[in-house]
Amino acid sequence: AQKVTQAQTEISVVEKEDVTLDCVYETRDTTYYLFWYKQPPSGELVFLIRRNSFDEQNEISGRYSWNFQKSTSSFNFTITASQVVDSAVYFCALRRTGNQFYFGTGTSLTVIP
Amino acid sequence: KAGVTQTPRYLIKTRGQQVTLSCSPISGHRSVSWYQQTPGQGLQFLFEYFSETQRNKGNFPGRFSGRQFSNSRSEMNVSTLELGDSALYLCASSLVGQNEQFFGPGTRLTVL
Repeated sequence: AQKVTQAQTEISVVEKEDVTLDCVYETRDTTYYLFWYKQPPSGELVFLIRRNSFDEQNEISGRYSWNFQKSTSSFNFTITASQVVDSAVYFCALRRTGNQFYFGTGTSLTVIP
Repeated sequence: KAGVTQTPRYLIKTRGQQVTLSCSPISGHRSVSWYQQTPGQGLQFLFEYFSETQRNKGNFPGRFSGRQFSNSRSEMNVSTLELGDSALYLCASSLVGQNEQFFGPGTRLTVL
């Protein structure tokens, strides 16, 4: 069975603090893809990053970085020097072959000015 | 390039009625997926259409149905509405061979 777990339901941080959002997944597939999406209060999910199961290189994009570790089935997301505009719900998702996505339940991040 | 559009944005219906939601994917995208988002259940996959055929289906009752037209636009229909169908319904499109999905703003359905 495919499953994505985001154990952190809500996180609050003070502006400029770093914050890490955890994502743990389960799959028996050898080929799969992992994603992070951001859902601001407006409701529209915004694509942030995609990772395939054969690429364990970490990635950095500005203040965002992602740590993919197959050994622990984790794909964690770190925001450095958080800003108020980062306040949103963040979803981790798994896609297996066949295009069906499995989403975690989301982590609501509040950045306090 | 225009993004995924969904109409209507808000809808209020009463129990027992039926509703049709519409989604226009990004130009060139042939895969359209539908999701139901509720506070309690999170994002749940409804179904995916590709080239007018349903390719994947989630675990929802038969009251939930969909279709896709030759121009890739998609509709989903919910018949005999129940209070529990109140949710944000999200549509996402993707290119053949690409992996990320791009989401529309959603239709917020309230069932009274």
